[in-house]
Amino acid sequence: GALVYQYPRRTICKSGTSMRMECQAVGFQATSVAWYRQSPQKTFELIALSTVNSAIKYEQNFTQEKFPISHPNLSFSSMTVLNAYLEDRGLYLCGASWVQDTQYFGPGTRLLVL
Amino acid sequence: GDSVTQKEGLVTLTEGLPVMLNCTYQTIYSNAFLFWYVHYLNESPRLLLKSSTDNKRTEHQGFHATLHKSSSSFHLQKSSAQLSDSALYYCALTWGNTGKLIFGLGTTLQVQP
Repeated sequence: GALVYQYPRRTICKSGTSMRMECQAVGFQATSVAWYRQSPQKTFELIALSTVNSAIKYEQNFTQEKFPISHPNLSFSSMTVLNAYLEDRGLYLCGASWVQDTQYFGPGTRLLVL
Repeated sequence: GDSVTQKEGLVTLTEGLPVMLNCTYQTIYSNAFLFWYVHYLNESPRLLLKSSTDNKRTEHQGFHATLHKSSSSFHLQKSSAQLSDSALYYCALTWGNTGKLIFGLGTTLQVQP
């Protein structure tokens, strides 16, 4: 079956430092990878969508300068939160898909910022 | 803009009773896909149901939902709640081949003995 792993599951970083998180698809080819953030008391908000052979598309309020994403092959993607501050805390989900209408999610990386 | 509304934040009911979680959506696109994901604590959100066909019932693991484009609704139902159904349920929307998902706020279902 289709599985998505995320690493780390939980991390703490100091305010102003950066943190990299990874997403791995197993059992299928992740032609698209979407990164979401769930801030406290909010729902999942799309940060960016990465599709193989296309430019990464960032949503409003999110930028490549703040959340650089790498999607080097059909099974792996990573995203870095640069200069993390309190408002960046939350659960970061990776959603991978090979059929555009269905995403399979990892368990998320929970980021705490001190 | 495109949005998904789940008006209940928390639904509490007794085991054996029927479940209905509400989901309505707003989009300008006619080729919308609607999803229900179930999210257990510390696990991955898992796809429960999906549909893009108007007025067609879709079923999985005892749950069912029917997309009604006339009322922009995709309510999740189950005839008899089980304790193991206690979880957070998200309704989500996408359209065309965008690959973007718009999530509702989620509804926590608590099933009591």
